[in-house]
Amino acid sequence: GAVVSQHPSRVICKSGTSVKIECRSLDFQATTMFWYRQFPKKSLMLMATSNEGSKATYEQGVEKDKFLINHASLTLSTLTVTSAHPEDSSFYICSAIPWTSGIKNEQFFGPGTRLTVL
Amino acid sequence: GIQVEQSPPDLILQEGANSTLRCNFSDSVNNLQWFHQNPWGQLINLFYIPSGTKQNGRLSATTVATERYSLLYISSSQTTDSGVYFCAVFPISGAGSYQLTFGKGTKLSVIP
Repeated sequence: GAVVSQHPSRVICKSGTSVKIECRSLDFQATTMFWYRQFPKKSLMLMATSNEGSKATYEQGVEKDKFLINHASLTLSTLTVTSAHPEDSSFYICSAIPWTSGIKNEQFFGPGTRLTVL
Repeated sequence: GIQVEQSPPDLILQEGANSTLRCNFSDSVNNLQWFHQNPWGQLINLFYIPSGTKQNGRLSATTVATERYSLLYISSSQTTDSGVYFCAVFPISGAGSYQLTFGKGTKLSVIP
């Protein structure tokens, strides 16, 4: 149980285009999902917290107009990188907390999406 | 914010050896998780362990909450154990939606 998927797993796009990444909880509902970014050989950096039915909360330094997050249902959150540039190239990972987890708040992670902007 | 320090940063083991990875944190925690990131980038949940001791096969973990550290033990290591091990925490004093703060990880290489 507690499986999270991401799509696509890998995307290459031209500078200036927008890219949408989907994060789905496959066997549970999640009122809260998170988006992280990871640079090569580095740790995960939290970008934003996505709550179903409300606006995302972005971490300091993350441009909310560049990284659009939508959490439209209890099983789906999307991250859209708008007008992508080479510096946006990175590994993007989502995670989710099952809404039934109560005080346990264990997070489960998707397999990640590798974005390359040419 | 809370600080998370992992040690050692790199570890090379001969197959069959045992190892201990450490995670120190600067504040009391509500959540502590250990993950293994495999070579393809997938984060695999190893333990949810804000306190106490747990075991799962060759792996076990202990968190001493009062002293603010956690240990991950790997016994009889195998080449498939290679990868990066992350510790991540959420402080009791934290506000919001249980966002995790990650340590920098321990890169483990198990050689045949």
